[in-house]
Amino acid sequence: AQSVTQLGSHVSVSEGALVLLRCNYSSSVPPYLFWYVQYPNQGLQLLLKYTSAATLVKGINGFEAEFKKSETSFHLTKPSAHMSDAAEYFCAVRAGGGADGLTFGKGTHLIIQP
Amino acid sequence: EAGVAQSPRYKIIEKRQSVAFWCNPISGHATLYWYQQILGQGPKLLIQFQNNGVVDDSQLPKDRFSAERLKGVDSTLKIQPAKLEDSAVYLCASSLDSPYLRAGKEHYEQYFGPGTRLTVT
Repeated sequence: AQSVTQLGSHVSVSEGALVLLRCNYSSSVPPYLFWYVQYPNQGLQLLLKYTSAATLVKGINGFEAEFKKSETSFHLTKPSAHMSDAAEYFCAVRAGGGADGLTFGKGTHLIIQP
Repeated sequence: EAGVAQSPRYKIIEKRQSVAFWCNPISGHATLYWYQQILGQGPKLLIQFQNNGVVDDSQLPKDRFSAERLKGVDSTLKIQPAKLEDSAVYLCASSLDSPYLRAGKEHYEQYFGPGTRLTVT
């Protein structure tokens, strides 16, 4: 079975500082990994995905993530935080086989300090 | 392109009552998902449909939850009777389909609706 662990339920950074959100996964098959963002009272929006191509994945809004198989990690980064980045971020892994529903982590609330 | 539509956006019911949520996926999307998101947690998959067939309902509490997608387009999720612990946001998502997807060789993005926030008192 697949699972995802997000370290840190809340992360606070200053505007302009580096954003680092941590995600570790467990999967019995080569994983498909995702980062989603959720703004208050809205649905989830895909930031980026890893599907066994390049290990460094670039997404929207300046975010990127690096797949490290040896560390079973898929951490999300952004060089310079913006106030508009304040939101809830979820890491997810896809189920194997013919079903492709996602297994999500518990989420990390990103706070941007002015 | 219109997104995934859900209604109602908010619902408050008493425990032991029944409730239904509706979802209309993006036009042309054969795959439809229902997720339950409890406050402070990530979404949990309840059920996945491929057209009008169920692909995965292993995490659906079938003693009280049911879902259908009779014509392979819109879908309804029902809870009967509701419990306090069912208070959550219910998210619907949809995605394209292909034989490669079902063989696990491709993944299409899941597009999420805004959700229905259920409060059980």
